[in-house]
Amino acid sequence: ELKVEQNPLFLSMQEGKNYTIYCNYSTTSDRLYWYRQDPGKSLESLFVLLSNGAVKQEGRLMASLDTKARLSTLHITAAVHDLSATYFCVIIQGAQKLVFGQGTRLTINP
Amino acid sequence: NAGVTQTPKFRILKIGQSMTLQCAQDMNHNYMYWYRQDPGMGLKLIYYSVGAGITDKGEVPNGYNVSRSTTEDFPLRLELAAPSQTSVYFCASRPQTGQGVNGYTFGSGTRLTVV
Repeated sequence: ELKVEQNPLFLSMQEGKNYTIYCNYSTTSDRLYWYRQDPGKSLESLFVLLSNGAVKQEGRLMASLDTKARLSTLHITAAVHDLSATYFCVIIQGAQKLVFGQGTRLTINP
Repeated sequence: NAGVTQTPKFRILKIGQSMTLQCAQDMNHNYMYWYRQDPGMGLKLIYYSVGAGITDKGEVPNGYNVSRSTTEDFPLRLELAAPSQTSVYFCASRPQTGQGVNGYTFGSGTRLTVV
């Protein structure tokens, strides 16, 4: 059974600081997604990572994928309050089924 | 606007009642999904469909039914509502493999409470 584990599950940080969210998964997968969810809202796709060594950046967020280690990271640079949200790491299993990590609830304080 | 449309946004049901959650997409996507999200958790797959007339169970299908008579619509039916079905339900879609590498498109969700 494919498992996706994120850590930390809760993260409170100050504006301007850097931090990394980690995502480990248990079996091979050819695609990994990072999603953002604001409270009471739907999910917004942030990144799609397709191959070993893939790195994508959008603003203050950068995601990377190491398929050999079955590890993805989401790095936040110089955090700002607007980045406060829950971030999910998601893996494809079988016939296009998404398997979600538990989510990391990020709170950025002024 | 193109996307995934879910109705209703909120609903309160009494135990034993039935209802259908509607989901429609106008992007001609083959794949459609129903997920539920319990408080503080990730999403779990209920049912999915790879095309009109084809559906299959996901991780947590008990207590639900689906149909896919058209490419656009993928309704989720709750026959005998139970408190354990209190959750937020998300419908999602994506194009057929090879037609793009973008992430799935999610609807805005239906918040269901069973009392």
